[in-house]
Amino acid sequence: AAGVIQSPRHLIKEKRETATLKCYPIPRHDTVYWYQQGPGQDPQFLISFYEKMQSDKGSIPDRFSAQQFSDYHSELNMSSLELGDSALYFCASTLRGSRYEQYFGPGTRLTVT
Amino acid sequence: TQLLEQSPQFLSIQEGENLTVYCNSSSVFSSLQWYRQEPGEGPVLLVTVVTGGEVKKLKRLTFQFGDARKDSSLHITAAQPGDTGLYLCAGAYRSNTGKLIFGQGTTLQVKP
Repeated sequence: AAGVIQSPRHLIKEKRETATLKCYPIPRHDTVYWYQQGPGQDPQFLISFYEKMQSDKGSIPDRFSAQQFSDYHSELNMSSLELGDSALYFCASTLRGSRYEQYFGPGTRLTVT
Repeated sequence: TQLLEQSPQFLSIQEGENLTVYCNSSSVFSSLQWYRQEPGEGPVLLVTVVTGGEVKKLKRLTFQFGDARKDSSLHITAAQPGDTGLYLCAGAYRSNTGKLIFGQGTTLQVKP
């Protein structure tokens, strides 16, 4: 079965640079969530989209923005990167009405040097 | 403040032993999910429970949702080394957009 695809899998950036993370949800899933997981921590919700509209917002810095496109893929744009942004970034998708069962992608490991 | 308390955070047992992981909150969840995560990879969904008192079984794993939908447990019978990993519980609140609140995770080590 098709899974959530994330790219790139690994990304190394320097401080103050920008980064774009991409997420391709499972086909027919209409909702995308972004989570950030620091070393040894549990995933923290950043932002979500339903039918291309932002549906919820968590602890996402103002330096970050995201959107969902007409083909339902989503991009997380991160600017003015800081060392503390180094983390695993996960995208998860679900079909609204399916008891919020979320399927996670393999993640993007972002390292800011 | 952790909204979803998971315990224990670390568990090391011998192959063949049984274990239970607990997930507790003071809030009511519309659904609760259990994931398993390998280092550097995304969480893999094991089960979703939505009904108070619900019990689901997945081979040697038994998941239970509390009657009040505020707590859940994961019981593993006759643990095997292949069960080693990080187990995460995550809840979605009622009247919510489905964002998940995660517990701190339980790192399980099963020694042969």
